Amino acid sequence: EVQLVESGGGLVKPGGSLRLSCAGSGFTFTSYSMNWVRQAPGKGLEWVSFISSSSSYIYYADSVRGRFTISRDNAKNSLYLQMNSLRAEDTAVYYCARDRDYSTSPVGQWGQGTLVTVSS
Amino acid sequence: DIVMTQSPDSLAVSLGERATINCKSNQSVLDSSNNQNYLAWYQQKPRQPPKLLIYWASTRESGVPDRFSGSGSGTDFTLTISSLQAEDVAVYYCQQYYGTPPRTFGQGTKVEIK
Repeated sequence: EVQLVESGGGLVKPGGSLRLSCAGSGFTFTSYSMNWVRQAPGKGLEWVSFISSSSSYIYYADSVRGRFTISRDNAKNSLYLQMNSLRAEDTAVYYCARDRDYSTSPVGQWGQGTLVTVSS
Repeated sequence: DIVMTQSPDSLAVSLGERATINCKSNQSVLDSSNNQNYLAWYQQKPRQPPKLLIYWASTRESGVPDRFSGSGSGTDFTLTISSLQAEDVAVYYCQQYYGTPPRTFGQGTKVEIK
């Protein structure tokens, strides 16, 4: 069974930093591209970042580019999101999400999410 | 960036009736080299992560009931629930995954029981 388990969320002050982690299991982690998708309270889904299986290709939403850094450690089956210069509008549930297939495809698997709250 | 716009924002449908959700992109998500539309639909129930329903605009994900169907091509797409069940109450999102990211979502459509 595919499992994606996020951790690292919490309360942080504006301007602060936080590092999210996602542990993948039940599939060959090294073969799949991964994403972070967030959802502000009561709002819709916002795609945040993408990383290819070998980390060769990395993309960000305009709203986080220059502040967030996605990375992965295939030896540890883990995905990360380093979030710096956090703002109130970054408050959201952050989902770790795996592409459905090896090639270009939509998200097929989602974690349960971790809540990040940016507030003074 | 490709902008996805869903309509309506919400709809109320009687049990057993048809529900139709539209999704429009501001540029084509059809790749003419493989004739595939890079468009997916997700269902999100309260306090749950989203669930993939449809990909390639019309391919149903394994385990998804056949009352869910997707159609459309290019810039205009539709998700149809042929006979609404109580368990279908949720918010539905379309998403494009054409070319390089960003992989933008529509704003969501809330489906309720009338």
